[in-house]
Amino acid sequence: GEDVEQSLFLSVREGDSSVINCTYTDSSSTYLYWYKQEPGAGLQLLTYIFSNMDMKQDQRLTVLLNKKDKHLSLRIADTQTGDSAIYFCAERGSQGNLIFGKGTKLSVKP
Amino acid sequence: KAGVTQTPRYLIKTRGQQVTLSCSPISGHRSVSWYQQTPGQGLQFLFEYFSETQRNKGNFPGRFSGRQFSNSRSEMNVSTLELGDSALYLCASSFAQNTEAFFGQGTRLTVV
Repeated sequence: GEDVEQSLFLSVREGDSSVINCTYTDSSSTYLYWYKQEPGAGLQLLTYIFSNMDMKQDQRLTVLLNKKDKHLSLRIADTQTGDSAIYFCAERGSQGNLIFGKGTKLSVKP
Repeated sequence: KAGVTQTPRYLIKTRGQQVTLSCSPISGHRSVSWYQQTPGQGLQFLFEYFSETQRNKGNFPGRFSGRQFSNSRSEMNVSTLELGDSALYLCASSFAQNTEAFFGQGTRLTVV
């Protein structure tokens, strides 16, 4: 079935780069998304990538897509304490709904 | 441009009661989707509405229902509440089905 997998935790030092990885199963997904959720809040759309792209850069964020391996990653450069949150990878399922991973909790240590 | 508005933000209900949650999408967006978020199951899709029609439904019991009005606002209803319905309910707004989805702050439902 359709599934998205992510590692659950990542800890980095302030100023370092963070890389959050995700694998997905539906090769027909046209868009893949990254969302951020802070405590007590909803989901904030960070960025997305169209399936015919390999890479997308948006300020400190870089998304890499390996369609052959169905692997998506989000790199956050110069990670700050304000980046501490849960990051969700999501793909569009065959019926159009978003399918989310369990989320990666990013902890940034000063 | 106003974002997605969900009301109320918090609710406490008793088992057996019913509840209605509301979502106002971004102006111009006609697609509204609902998701349930729990620590154990993560984010699960409930249903999607587009132009007042339910287009897609997740794997939830019939106690969960929804509707969309002509102004694109959507409501979801949960009847005969169970303790396991305690969750954060998130609404997402999209211009069309395969476009970016923007989420509201959610409604935190606690069933006691």
